[in-house]
Amino acid sequence: KAGVTQTPRYLIKTRGQQVTLSCSPISGHRSVSWYQQTPGQGLQFLFEYFSETQRNKGNFPGRFSGRQFSNSRSEMNVSTLELGDSALYLCASSFKPSGNTIYFGEGSWLTVV
Amino acid sequence: KQEVTQIPAALSVPEGENLVLNCSFTDSAIYNLQWFRQDPGKGLTSLLLIQSSQREQTSGRLNASLDKSSGRSTLYIAASQPGDSATYLCAVRPGLFAAGNKLTFGGGTRVLVKP
Repeated sequence: KAGVTQTPRYLIKTRGQQVTLSCSPISGHRSVSWYQQTPGQGLQFLFEYFSETQRNKGNFPGRFSGRQFSNSRSEMNVSTLELGDSALYLCASSFKPSGNTIYFGEGSWLTVV
Repeated sequence: KQEVTQIPAALSVPEGENLVLNCSFTDSAIYNLQWFRQDPGKGLTSLLLIQSSQREQTSGRLNASLDKSSGRSTLYIAASQPGDSATYLCAVRPGLFAAGNKLTFGGGTRVLVKP
């Protein structure tokens, strides 16, 4: 059974650009959540989607957005990139929100220059 | 606001020694707690999930305990091996159903097992 798949794995962007990251959850999982990991702030929750609806959102500016498709695949977008957005972005999936084990992907490394 | 703390931030032990990793949280109203392992440059690997009604959970050499009332969880790794070298993170899931998978993570404990 394939795990959580994230693409791209590595990318470099310039300040002011925008980026889209993709996540394919484990087959059968309908809940997808996104986290940002930085050395200074650790792991922080971005948002969670279930059945194409955003259920929760973390304390990030509106430049960070996401969506979920009918096949449970999810994308997150960051517009007007800032240097501080450089981080490892992790996607996680579970069968449903709360109660179940959450499984993480390998992450997308974003460097903003 | 839930806060999760893992002390120490780093730990070095000789191979064969048992590892004891600590996790504390400020709000005892949790749904469950999950332990993860992260290797350098990689994603998180789930190790154990303990529901709030459980006291402990075991998988192979791993054993995790949970004392919800005191806001503590401990991960024990028996007979450590160099391959256990990684960062270990704990995360709590809030008790509110609406909070879903909004996990709050500790800062992690970086473990080095020396051969």
